[in-house]
Amino acid sequence: GESVGLHLPTLSVQEGDNSIINCAYSNSASDYFIWYKQESGKGPQFIIDIRSNMDKRQGQRVTVLLNKTVKHLSLQIAATQPGDSAVYFCAEILFGNEKLTFGTGTRLTIIP
Amino acid sequence: DGGITQSPKYLFRKEGQNVTLSCEQNLNHDAMYWYRQDPGQGLRLIYYSQIVNDFQKGDIAEGYSVSREKKESFPLTVTSAQKNPTAFYLCASRVPGGFGELFFGEGSRLTVL
Repeated sequence: GESVGLHLPTLSVQEGDNSIINCAYSNSASDYFIWYKQESGKGPQFIIDIRSNMDKRQGQRVTVLLNKTVKHLSLQIAATQPGDSAVYFCAEILFGNEKLTFGTGTRLTIIP
Repeated sequence: DGGITQSPKYLFRKEGQNVTLSCEQNLNHDAMYWYRQDPGQGLRLIYYSQIVNDFQKGDIAEGYSVSREKKESFPLTVTSAQKNPTAFYLCASRVPGGFGELFFGEGSRLTVL
């Protein structure tokens, strides 16, 4: 079946550096992608989204890049801070489908 | 403030007991979801409901039951038939519209003793 997966389960980054979290998806028909951040013991929080007709979208300190040719999604976090330490999930949706498919997550650790 | 409230945050139960997890939202969202999360794992869909009095099974519905009598409420019952119920349970509701992100509650951690 279709699934969303992540390249790296863990990532450690020095505080102040930029981080890149990657995600591979297998359903080329997916229309919409979301990145979520989940802190320990809490529910996931929306970070940023991107539609399949876009290649790049920027938010505050975050940028999502979508490469449909290789079915790859990435989340870039600029100038990382200790509060960025969390597990990051990507999710995909097919328009008209009520179900999101989540990846297994990448744990980002910021080193002081 | 608008949001999703899950209770209890922590719950312990003995084997063979049913337990009900509460999920309430005041976001006026039609669609609501229940996910299960195991350590180091992603989210797996248990049940979802698009409107009141209607719900559908997700990918791992066996051993669970839900009801949707009110728009604001979507309780999940973990029955004794669920063989491995210890997990972190997340409730979410969805922003109306063609795509629509999910808003999540803070989760309920269930431990079976």
